[in-house]
Amino acid sequence: QVQLVQSGAEVKKPGASVKVSCKASGYTFTTYDINWVRQAPGQGLEWMGWMNPNSGDTGYAQKFQGRVTMTRDTSINTAYMELTSLRSEDTAVYYCAGSRGELDPWGQGTLVTVSS
Amino acid sequence: ELVLTQSPGTLSLSPGERATLSCRASQSISSSYLAWYQQKPGQAPRLLLYGASTRATGVPDRFSGSVSGTDFTLTISRLEPEDFAVYYCQRYHKSLTWTFGQGTKVEIK
Repeated sequence: QVQLVQSGAEVKKPGASVKVSCKASGYTFTTYDINWVRQAPGQGLEWMGWMNPNSGDTGYAQKFQGRVTMTRDTSINTAYMELTSLRSEDTAVYYCAGSRGELDPWGQGTLVTVSS
Repeated sequence: ELVLTQSPGTLSLSPGERATLSCRASQSISSSYLAWYQQKPGQAPRLLLYGASTRATGVPDRFSGSVSGTDFTLTISRLEPEDFAVYYCQRYHKSLTWTFGQGTKVEIK
């Protein structure tokens, strides 16, 4: 069964960083790109960027350029998304999703709360 | 910058009725790169359609998609209780970034 399992919820203070993991199973990790999408409470979906697990190539939404880094560890079939300089507006559920274009499958989401 | 505008914001219908959801692109885009997702409260989004009209694995055939110019439509032929959710359209293109519409909520009337 193709599956993406994300790390657990995080609570961070403003100015801190968060690193969310996304572990793939049921398929060859390098087959799909990994995208990251976030959703603030009661809001819509916001695309953050993509990473090719094979090459490590990345592409980030302009809004997050300079604050987001997407990486992977192919030895454990895991992708990571790190967001720095956190502010309250970054409070959201962060999703990873496999992609060959359209996004499928999706991880279960990781709630990141930024609060002093 | 591409903008996808979904309408209506909320659609109030009864089970068994037909739902028609719209997604209008601010510029011409290839239908090959348009997807629709369903999201229920507390759950991750689920891929419904890709390439504007191809159903993802396991998606019932009451879900269909069409395109006319820059207007994309998701139709649910007869609403089942489990279809009440929020629906998002998305343009995907590795070289151009991914863009979501703001979503349409289909609620029980």
